[in-house]
Amino acid sequence: QKEVEQDPGPLSVPEGAIVSLNCTYSNSAFQYFMWYRQYSRKGPELLMYTYSSGNKEDGRFTAQVDKSSKYISLFIRDSQPSDSATYLCAMSAMNTGFQKLVFGTGTRLLVSP
Amino acid sequence: SQTIHQWPATLVQPVGSPLSLECTVEGTSNPNLYWYRQAAGRGLQLLFYSVGIGQISSEVPQNLSASRPQDRQFILSSKKLLLSDSGFYLCAWSLTGIRLFGQGTRLTVV
Repeated sequence: QKEVEQDPGPLSVPEGAIVSLNCTYSNSAFQYFMWYRQYSRKGPELLMYTYSSGNKEDGRFTAQVDKSSKYISLFIRDSQPSDSATYLCAMSAMNTGFQKLVFGTGTRLLVSP
Repeated sequence: SQTIHQWPATLVQPVGSPLSLECTVEGTSNPNLYWYRQAAGRGLQLLFYSVGIGQISSEVPQNLSASRPQDRQFILSSKKLLLSDSGFYLCAWSLTGIRLFGQGTRLTVV
């Protein structure tokens, strides 16, 4: 079993839809949870991060962490064609000094006009 | 604010040639630095990380090496490239558990 599982997609939605992207994990020691957006041929861009549990909102983006279920989510409201990209979740734990960052394989999102 | 520079953006090299990719970070001191490789359709693979000048940890034994000659400079090298070294190479830095990436170098070995 992989430490972090993420559906590769592609996930196709119409413009304006609410998008839900998810990852599950098995290591209960993870404390930092990150979401990256990666456009084709570009480096991953940090969208949001959460330390420990709870929700965090930034504009159209909301990140949620449910440590009891070992489940994290990224919601995108009013999705735009410019949101079309691959979204990577990533996690790290203090017992590795946060050196080991475990990534999901990424979900490809396609938002059609 | 902190910025990370990575160059070149693309590189085509013949098999057996040497490689040197450079990464520099601005606006911070004593960052942790990382080199990743991302193969097409696959996840990010950590190659090397460094917590200080001259301190390099290798995650995957292979045809590559890394050096950190200055606090904010990280270099990925190879003496002789293999076809299997082709990929998208990313430099990253962190001060806490958060990692920030450069724009990457797409290396094609022919």
